[in-house]
Amino acid sequence: DVKVTQSSRYLVKRTGEKVFLECVQDMDHENMFWYRQDPGLGLRLIYFSYDVKMKEKGDIPEGYSVSREKKERFSLILESASTNQTSMYLCASIAGGSPGGELFFGEGSRLTVL
Amino acid sequence: AQSVTQLDSQVPVFEEAPVELRCNYSSSVSVYLFWYVQYPNQGLQLLLKYLSGSTLVKGINGFEAEFNKSQTSFHLRKPSVHISDTAEYFCAVSPLSGNTGKLIFGQGTTLQVKP
Repeated sequence: DVKVTQSSRYLVKRTGEKVFLECVQDMDHENMFWYRQDPGLGLRLIYFSYDVKMKEKGDIPEGYSVSREKKERFSLILESASTNQTSMYLCASIAGGSPGGELFFGEGSRLTVL
Repeated sequence: AQSVTQLDSQVPVFEEAPVELRCNYSSSVSVYLFWYVQYPNQGLQLLLKYLSGSTLVKGINGFEAEFNKSQTSFHLRKPSVHISDTAEYFCAVSPLSGNTGKLIFGQGTTLQVKP
């Protein structure tokens, strides 16, 4: 069974803390994505990566950074968490070269910043 | 640039009734069209997609959608819903060319099926 695994389902952090959200996929996919999900706003793309050590900004990259040291792992970093980053974060992956293919999602990481 | 508008934020419906979730999109280039579903406390999973060919596409769990190019719509339908269909549904588009998997999502529609 193919899988995208997000290491933390629920996190509570304080303002100013550094936060790491980890995502691992076991499908040997080239392309990985981090989305943010908020009620009434749908999913918004934060960052994506098409290869190891490669990253590109999505629509809302401010306040976030990413790391992709290995093909299967894509990490989202909040350098200094703020209350407006309280949200659901979704990781996804897809095989490269398949624009009409299926995007596979993790179960999400719900972050609360106090 | 592309944008997706889901016309209803919430759709309440009784069990065994038909349902339609509406989706309109805007794009200056040809796009692929998708519907994803998110069950409570889960990630999203693909329900169906339109790539080319017949404008009526069938997906999992008895859902279907019709692509209407002139109206730039991709509405999702099911003739008879079940309690288990209660979920949030997202319409999404992706350009035919360019970055794989870079989907633009709508705001989501919550389907509430009542007994």
